[in-house]
Amino acid sequence: NAGVTQTPKFQVLKTGQSMTLQCAQDMNHEYMSWYRQDPGMGLRLIHYSVGAGITDQGEVPNGYNVSRSTTEDFPLRLLSAAPSQTSVYFCASSYGTRGEAFFGQGTRLTVV
Amino acid sequence: RKEVEQDPGPFNVPEGATVAFNCTYSNSASQSFFWYRQDCRKEPKLLMSVYSSGNEDGRFTAQLNRASQYISLLIRDSKLSDSATYLCVGLVRGGSYIPTFGRGTSLIVHP
Repeated sequence: NAGVTQTPKFQVLKTGQSMTLQCAQDMNHEYMSWYRQDPGMGLRLIHYSVGAGITDQGEVPNGYNVSRSTTEDFPLRLLSAAPSQTSVYFCASSYGTRGEAFFGQGTRLTVV
Repeated sequence: RKEVEQDPGPFNVPEGATVAFNCTYSNSASQSFFWYRQDCRKEPKLLMSVYSSGNEDGRFTAQLNRASQYISLLIRDSKLSDSATYLCVGLVRGGSYIPTFGRGTSLIVHP
């Protein structure tokens, strides 16, 4: 019972590099979302998707891209990493109107 | 202003104490509410849903006050293992139904 799987768990990038954080879920959830968590800031929504082919911006979308070609996968792309993107990133999927979200284990990203 | 607001704490309580957290929400159209628990450096996990009639799960009781627009979480007989951050979530009827989290309330239970 995998649930939500995020890779990698840890990553160090140099300023200006790009990378993709992977997220996959096996619960057939329509809703998926990406959050970043910084000390004292709580979970802030970056991008979300309410179904394959449908994405929208959250609270802090700048510097990130997403796509949703399948129900299972929702990758997050950092276009040109900046030190301000050093954070812990969580992917989540949910039942939609029921709202119970299930999270991946997180990716700890450091940009130097 | 965030859609949900919480006192970040920390709440520092002895074992066996009763502690309560509140979470206020700004959108009166918010329909569904939840409490999540997050341990240090781990992912958040659903603790309990909050129903209009209130609900109880063992030592945990959640209440919804629509008139004053807040939800509450009461923990009785606190255990050391209850030490964590507690996050509240509200979903807006007719909105995206993507969970939006408060900043969390830190609870430290000491011997």
